[in-house]
Amino acid sequence: AQSVTQPDIHITVSEGASLELRCNYSYGATPYLFWYVQSPGQGLQLLLKYFSGDTLVQGIKGFEAEFKRSQSSFNLRKPSVHWSDAAEYFCAVGSSGSARQLTFGSGTQLTVLP
Amino acid sequence: SAVISQKPSRDICQRGTSLTIQCQVDSQVTMMFWYRQQPGQSLTLIATANQGSEATYESGFVIDKFPISRPNLTFSTLTVSNMSPEDSSIYLCSVHGGGETQYFGPGTRLLVL
Repeated sequence: AQSVTQPDIHITVSEGASLELRCNYSYGATPYLFWYVQSPGQGLQLLLKYFSGDTLVQGIKGFEAEFKRSQSSFNLRKPSVHWSDAAEYFCAVGSSGSARQLTFGSGTQLTVLP
Repeated sequence: SAVISQKPSRDICQRGTSLTIQCQVDSQVTMMFWYRQQPGQSLTLIATANQGSEATYESGFVIDKFPISRPNLTFSTLTVSNMSPEDSSIYLCSVHGGGETQYFGPGTRLLVL
């Protein structure tokens, strides 16, 4: 069975500082990997996704993520955080087959200090 | 990408009652998914809804408690039946869009008293 671990429940960074959110997955084949962001009172917005090819993927809002098969990781990064980035971030892995059901990690809550 | 709307956006309900949540998509999609996000928790898949067939429920979720309809390729409903305070959650629908990506609706925030 597939699973996703986000080891950091809560991260606090200062505005302008760099950010890295960790994600480790367990999946038997090549995974479909996603990062979503959920702002307070909002639904989930897709930040970026990895299916194959270049292991460094670029997303919206200046985010990027790197797929490392040897470490079973898909960490999310941003070089300079903005106050508007404060939100909850979810890593997810997609199943094989036609269903493409998602398994989500427990989420990382990001606080940005002025 | 798909644009998804949900109704209601939020509701407060009394225990023992039922609430039907609607999900509307701006394009025809084969698969729709319903998730639950309990307070402070991650998302858990409730069921997968295909048009023209019975919904497929995940372990721990049953049709009597969460009946789902999928009358056409752009619409689905999820009913939360005989509610208890433990059903207080955000309920989200999603669709399998192009490029193997799921797009989510804004969610329905349910509080059961």
